Amino acid sequence: EAGVVQSPRYKIIEKKQPVAFWCNPISGHNTLYWYLQNLGQGPELLIRYENEEAVDDSQLPKDRFSAERLKGVDSTLKIQPAELGDSAVYLCASSGNRGDGYTFGSGTRLTVV
Amino acid sequence: AQKVTQAQTEISVVEKEDVTLDCVYETRDTTYYLFWYKQPPSGELVFLIRRNSFDEQNEISGRYSWNFQKSTSSFNFTITASQVVDSAVYFCALSEARGASKIIFGSGTRLSIRP
Repeated sequence: EAGVVQSPRYKIIEKKQPVAFWCNPISGHNTLYWYLQNLGQGPELLIRYENEEAVDDSQLPKDRFSAERLKGVDSTLKIQPAELGDSAVYLCASSGNRGDGYTFGSGTRLTVV
Repeated sequence: AQKVTQAQTEISVVEKEDVTLDCVYETRDTTYYLFWYKQPPSGELVFLIRRNSFDEQNEISGRYSWNFQKSTSSFNFTITASQVVDSAVYFCALSEARGASKIIFGSGTRLSIRP
């Protein structure tokens, strides 16, 4: 069974440019999560989806970050415009409704220069 | 509020030594899950264990063992006879035990095993 798939694996952009990350969860997983991992720290939740509904986006900086999961399957996280401080690893995870099978993708490492 | 503290930032031991990674957590929930994840240099988060707060039995899996003590809010992880391949960052984490919820991670312990 394929795991959580994220792309791209790495991304380098100049500050003020837009960037988007894509995540395809494990088939059948209704819950999808986006986490941010800064260097030397543990991951922190940005947003959680139940199907296509964002049920917890309290930690998402909405002035520049946005996310969508239109059909309740794959999801896109966008930053516009990117700032130097956004350099980090962006992790996607998915699980069943009861938190079963919680699995992380390999992440996208973003470098803003 | 939920919080996970991993006081050991870095640990370095010689191969074949035993090593224990400490984890202390805070939560007001009566039921919760505790986790350990491994993050090797390649970056992916590798799931090691999930423990329900009702189950205080220690667990052993090969060279890995976990000591859960609710009285001290600790969930420590021991690697016996460490190997170079155990070198990684290890995260302790906590979540609610109700449905799908976010995982609260500690700041991680970087473990280096020297040959």
